[in-house]
Formats: sequence, structure tokens, C-alpha cells
Amino acid sequence: GEKVEQHESTLSVREGDSAVINCTYTDTASSYFPWYKQEAGKSLHFVIDIRSNVDRKQSQRLIVLLDKKAKRFSLHITATQPEDSAIYFCAASRNSNNRIFFGDGTQLVVKP
Amino acid sequence: DPKIIQKPKYLVAVTGSEKILICEQYLGHNAMYWYRQSAKKPLEFMFSYSYQKLMDNQTASSRFQPQSSKKNHLDLQITALKPDDSATYFCASSQEGGTNERLFFGHGTKLSVL
Repeated sequence: GEKVEQHESTLSVREGDSAVINCTYTDTASSYFPWYKQEAGKSLHFVIDIRSNVDRKQSQRLIVLLDKKAKRFSLHITATQPEDSAIYFCAASRNSNNRIFFGDGTQLVVKP
Repeated sequence: DPKIIQKPKYLVAVTGSEKILICEQYLGHNAMYWYRQSAKKPLEFMFSYSYQKLMDNQTASSRFQPQSSKKNHLDLQITALKPDDSATYFCASSQEGGTNERLFFGHGTKLSVL
């Protein structure tokens, strides 16, 4: 089955800097890559996704890049703010079902 | 207000006992899911239901049985509990249960089996 790995377990940046979280996946049939965020004491919620028909997607300060050849995708958060501090989960799934495979999560700390 | 309610938030059980984890969603969604997050493991898919029917099951053990009494309910019954079952169990929902749908998660039930 699919295995999604997040390379950074923790990431600390200064407010205003950019943060990059990198993920790799193993299943070449994976075609949908969502990102979820979990703030302290709260449940996971969706932040952004990318499908395999594009290699870049941006939503305000969030940019997702996808490299299908390398089976790698990443989340870039620009102009970070303290409220961006959370655990970020990358995930992957095939187009043939709705089973989503998650990475271990990256704890992002944005220091004022 | 939380739209996906999981009860209880914390649960302590003894080995061999049986527990039911409750999940109700008020988003009007037709698909519901269970995920499990054990210590040092990623969030793992367990079950998906759409219109109260089982769509997908990645849980090998029959000790885990989802129960859907209403469209917006998907409870999880766990029998013969083992210490390895200790984890946080997350309920989620999506609009239809199709591919590439955004999931909405509950806060989770943290289960500790002694």
C-alpha cells in the first residue's frame, strides 16, 4: 500500500520567514495530495490540496508543489505568522477510492 | 460549535473489555469514516461508510465493528480490548464519499487500554 513520509518531524521558523514541509510517497497511482493542519487542542482541518494534473497550486500564503517523477510534494508557507503554528499532515490517495494515507505530521513552530 | 461530535473525549478500559466510541456529524454529509492514530504511527484509515453502507475496510481485526444507526451516526464498537488498541480514534465525514473529497474531522477519542 501507499506510504507517505514527512521528512521534518519539527520545524521552527521566525515570524515572517517561509516554512517548507516536504513529503514523499510510494504509490505511483496516487493522484490526490491534501494537507491538513491540527492546532493545539483542536481537530484536523483541511488547508489545501493538489491534484496530479498540476504541479503547483497557491492559496494566499500557501503554495503546494508536486513533483510526480520524484514522487515528492511540499507545502510552502510564506510570511509565517504565530497562528500558523500547528502540526501539518500531508496525505496521498488514488483516484480510484477515497482511502487517504497520511504522513506522521510536522510540528511547525513560528517564533515571534 | 463542533459539527462532528465524538464521545467520550477520553476513555480508559481494561484488557478484554468492550467499548463503543460514538460519532455524530451535523454537516449533512453522506459519508463517514474512522481513522486511528497510535503512538509513533501516522493517522491510519480504518473504515468508510456512505449512505450507511460499508464502502471500504482496512482493519484486519473483526474486533472493530462500525455501527450506523442513522445516516449521521457512525459508532465504533471494539471488543476484547488489548493494550495495542490504545490510540486516538478520529471520526471524519465528507460530502458523498467519492474520491478526492475534503474530510472533516472530529476532535478524537483517546482510548487507553490497561
